[in-house]
Amino acid sequence: GAGVSQSPSNKVTEKGKDVELRCDPISGHTALYWYRQSLGQGLEFLIYFQGNSAPDKSGLPSDRFSAERTGGSVSTLTIQRTQQEDSAVYLCASRGEISGANVLTFGAGSRLTVL
Amino acid sequence: SQQGEEDPQALSIQEGENATMNCSYKTSINNLQWYRQNSGRGLVHLILIRSNEREKHSGRLRVTLDTSKKSSSLLITASRAADTASYFCATDNQGGKLIFGQGTELSVKP
Repeated sequence: GAGVSQSPSNKVTEKGKDVELRCDPISGHTALYWYRQSLGQGLEFLIYFQGNSAPDKSGLPSDRFSAERTGGSVSTLTIQRTQQEDSAVYLCASRGEISGANVLTFGAGSRLTVL
Repeated sequence: SQQGEEDPQALSIQEGENATMNCSYKTSINNLQWYRQNSGRGLVHLILIRSNEREKHSGRLRVTLDTSKKSSSLLITASRAADTASYFCATDNQGGKLIFGQGTELSVKP
């Protein structure tokens, strides 16, 4: 697609429920990133994919968080047994190049609210 | 952690004034990038400076990089109300991931 698409844009869930967040990157971008942004804060790195593999998943906060990517395209971030502290905006980005350097194009984010 | 630190956290200026934001980081980098985020939106790439460059310009933006001090600054000249946004630096250390700072919230008053 023309840009990075994320869904849902907003998700309200009850504590203890599982949620899935989806990211559809720019066509042809092989690398895909997930970040988390709490209210008024910077971006917290979660995980990135190169193709379908995840060379760096060091930012996942706990084993309740997992992510997968299939077909080198769409990625899903799953949060199991959600907690109130999981409330944040989850941003996805795919990576292109400008003059040989990595540059990220972000989606608009998925705002998660855990009640 | 290589996370950058930015200052000031918030900056309020009048239209027409210049805005300067600073970023410091901890380890060696391949390049440093600046992004902008309007309220409730994703980040948009503004400008990139490589580790072997000291200064770069793009329109009203000027970025400097001092690798000996591990710091960078972003200058927006002749600011406009539409420049109101949060600005983030991000470092690329060739490891594949970009690490972002906490951001500077810029408010430009008409």
